[in-house]
Amino acid sequence: DAKTTQPTSMDCAEGRAANLPCNHSTISGNEYVYWYRQIHSQGPQYIIHGLKNNETNEMASLIITEDRKSSTLILPHATLRDTAVYYCIVPNYGQNFVFGPGTRLSVLP
Amino acid sequence: SQTIHQWPATLVQPVGSPLSLECTVEGTSNPNLYWYRQAAGRGLQLLFYSVGIGQISSEVPQNLSASRPQDRQFILSSKKLLLSDSGFYLCAWRQGDGGYTFGSGTRLTVV
Repeated sequence: DAKTTQPTSMDCAEGRAANLPCNHSTISGNEYVYWYRQIHSQGPQYIIHGLKNNETNEMASLIITEDRKSSTLILPHATLRDTAVYYCIVPNYGQNFVFGPGTRLSVLP
Repeated sequence: SQTIHQWPATLVQPVGSPLSLECTVEGTSNPNLYWYRQAAGRGLQLLFYSVGIGQISSEVPQNLSASRPQDRQFILSSKKLLLSDSGFYLCAWRQGDGGYTFGSGTRLTVV
């Protein structure tokens, strides 16, 4: 997998936007950026993925820089239930996903 | 719609006992299937994956084995559990080059 780098942990106030960064400077042209999250004692949950354009769904927005070397996952109005570990994954085409340590997001009341 | 089932949700087993965890997928055909393990406070480690019936690839050597007797069934087994086999076991499926969908997991404690 293309190497990804995420901060170990972040805090966010409830109701505010949570912006989670990910660096993937070695990404190649046909590799997607995927985001998952894992709430304690549950399986990872798919959030969003993108190639080069910004994406938005009911859960989050994904902003990918023009050079594709980094991206930001945005949770527009974080709630306590968004407290989880967030994984940024850039799998080599056709290869299995490798989950790194991710970012532990704590949403504070 | 596609669903993935894993059972049991929790399991406590003595050292040296056998293990069988089952995962089934509904609503899709010929999925890629995966077994991951997550030790306490650690990341997800890929154990096995399968691209078809009877086809198993192992990512790390260990005390575990996997089998795929049917297209949508994936089984994780051990003949004799070790204390180090404790962890959170997750099954996942993937269709083609799409994203992964995970089951709810089995928390195994070996005592």
